[in-house]
Order: sequence, then structure tokens, then C-alpha cells
Amino acid sequence: NAGVMQNPRHLVRRRGQEARLRCSPMKGHSHVYWYRQLPEEGLKFMVYLQKENIIDESGMPKERFSAEFPKEGPSILRIQQVVRGDSAAYFCASSPIRQVSGANVLTFGAGSRLTVL
Amino acid sequence: AQKITQTQPGMFVQEKEAVTLDCTYDTSDPSYGLFWYKQPSSGEMIFLIYQGSYDQQNATEGRYSLNFQKARKSANLVISASQLGDSAMYFCAMREGRYNTDKLIFGTGTRLQVFP
Repeated sequence: NAGVMQNPRHLVRRRGQEARLRCSPMKGHSHVYWYRQLPEEGLKFMVYLQKENIIDESGMPKERFSAEFPKEGPSILRIQQVVRGDSAAYFCASSPIRQVSGANVLTFGAGSRLTVL
Repeated sequence: AQKITQTQPGMFVQEKEAVTLDCTYDTSDPSYGLFWYKQPSSGEMIFLIYQGSYDQQNATEGRYSLNFQKARKSANLVISASQLGDSAMYFCAMREGRYNTDKLIFGTGTRLQVFP
């Protein structure tokens, strides 16, 4: 049972280019969360998606960032016109349908490290 | 207001000794969950332990235990018999029940270094 798969693991872009980060959740998981980790900092929530729906995007920058989780295929985090400040590790996590009781543990992918030159 | 506070940027511990990593939290939600994750130098996030706000007993998972003091709003991680492989960043995180999601809020982390 493969875990959360993220690719690419490392991505280098020049300022102004676009970055696309992909995340395939664990088998059976239908909820995806994206987090950003700046160097030497903790993880900051960006967006929470279910299939074909954005549930919570309160952590997404208002411009240049978008996310989707289509019916088929991986979730995509897209950053347009990247700037140096976008250099960070981007983590995807997934969880199954929420249980009435008990705890769902977010399972994280290995992260995608974006470097903007 | 910061919801998860980890006041120790770095900690050192000798191999085979126990170490406590501090975490305090702030929430008005009576239903919440507290998590600890480990991030080794390779970068992945590894789940360690979970404590629910209504759990009567402190959570334990092998060498990890969570010292949950609800009145003080603290959820410290205790690692017993430290090993060199425990050297990593450790993050405390909270999920608030009112949002009915698994969204986590993370602290800034503590870097633990285990020396021989």
C-alpha cells in the first residue's frame, strides 16, 4: 500500500516561470491537504481539498497560487510567476473520510522542494 | 495569538537518556487533538503519537509518551532511552474539532540532537 506520493521531489524554476507540484494520496484517502515549509520554520497550512472541491483555502496566498484535486488523477498545486520567496518545501498530506470518533492521522508525503533562482 | 508554542529551538541529549520536548497550545474548542511529528534530515514528516482532548490517559507509543496536562494546556513529548537516530526536528501540532476537518496547526519545532 503505497504512501502519499509527491513529485517532483526537487524542482528548480527561474523567476516568472510556473511550478506544478503533484500529489497522489494514499489508496482509499479522499482528502488532501497542502502545507508549505519555509527554511527553518514549521509547516503552514495552505489548502484542503476533496475530490473536485476546495474545502478550505484560508492559507493560500491570494495571487499566483491555485490548487485542484480532480475526479481522476493527482492533486496539483500550481504556482504561477514564481518569485524567490516561493522557495520552500511543499508537503501534501492525505486522510480518509473522517470518522465520527477517534483520530484521523494525516499521512504526509516526502515533500517537493522548490528552488526559485 | 499563536496556537501552538514550542519554546525550545534546540535540545541536546545524551544517548540512552530521556528527553522532554515542550509544547503548549491555545484553543477554546473543548474537542481537539494533539499530534507529534518527527522530521529527520531527509525531510519527510513521520507521525509519532496522538492525544485526544477527552482521553483519560496519556498516550504512549513505544519509547514515545505524551505528558498531557489539560489544565496547563501542555502536551510535552517524552522520548525515553534516546538513540542517535532520534536526532531530528520535532513538531507539535493541533487539530481543532470545531472545523470538522483533519487540518493541523503546527508549532515552529524543536531540533533534537542526540550525542554518544
